Amino acid sequence: DTAVSQTPKYLVTQMGNDKSIKCEQNLGHDTMYWYKQDSKKFLKIMFSYNNKELIINETVPNRFSPKSPDKAHLNLHINSLELGDSAVYFCASSGRDRPNYGYTFGSGTRLTVV
Amino acid sequence: SQQGEEDPQALSIQEGENATMNCSYKTSINNLQWYRQNSGRGLVHLILIRSNEREKHSGRLRVTLDTSKKSSSLLITASRAADTASYFCATERMNRDDKIIFGKGTRLHILP
Repeated sequence: DTAVSQTPKYLVTQMGNDKSIKCEQNLGHDTMYWYKQDSKKFLKIMFSYNNKELIINETVPNRFSPKSPDKAHLNLHINSLELGDSAVYFCASSGRDRPNYGYTFGSGTRLTVV
Repeated sequence: SQQGEEDPQALSIQEGENATMNCSYKTSINNLQWYRQNSGRGLVHLILIRSNEREKHSGRLRVTLDTSKKSSSLLITASRAADTASYFCATERMNRDDKIIFGKGTRLHILP
């Protein structure tokens, strides 16, 4: 069973389009995250939700809107896509065992904006 | 803002040798974590060391933490081809803002 699953794995789209990336975790974790990894492999946190409540919202364009329908799901919707949005987006989750076991990451969604 | 800085940025060693990667950070932390990322894959949690710990072992991995110098090292002993990956340190800061901040990573290449 996949612990943190993201869909789609690859996404190629044109500038100006709106797209969504979905994330689901079956670990019973309370907290979920979105990270962006740029072309230089640098990982930066974008959002964090705890029990469906937004707790971290880094400096991210408001074209990016996270939605958490329940604590097992955290989706990322991006409006008016720009070339600079091309990156790999990782979903992650953590639970009460975080002090011992850290975060569990999904396998990533490679977004290419053309 | 970036918290961790790994060095070296890239490291190539012969299979069987030991690999050492270092991480420095800026602010007080609750813990420091190391992750591995294979090419085109997600990150895998390797080991977590708390701020009150100085050394931790897990299989062929040894992590040290020096809070006075705000630095950590990851040692992989008896390296294998399968260890080829990028390794990232990540810190959970003491203000408990419930997020971890990643460094830029070290690309490790194990030569056959």
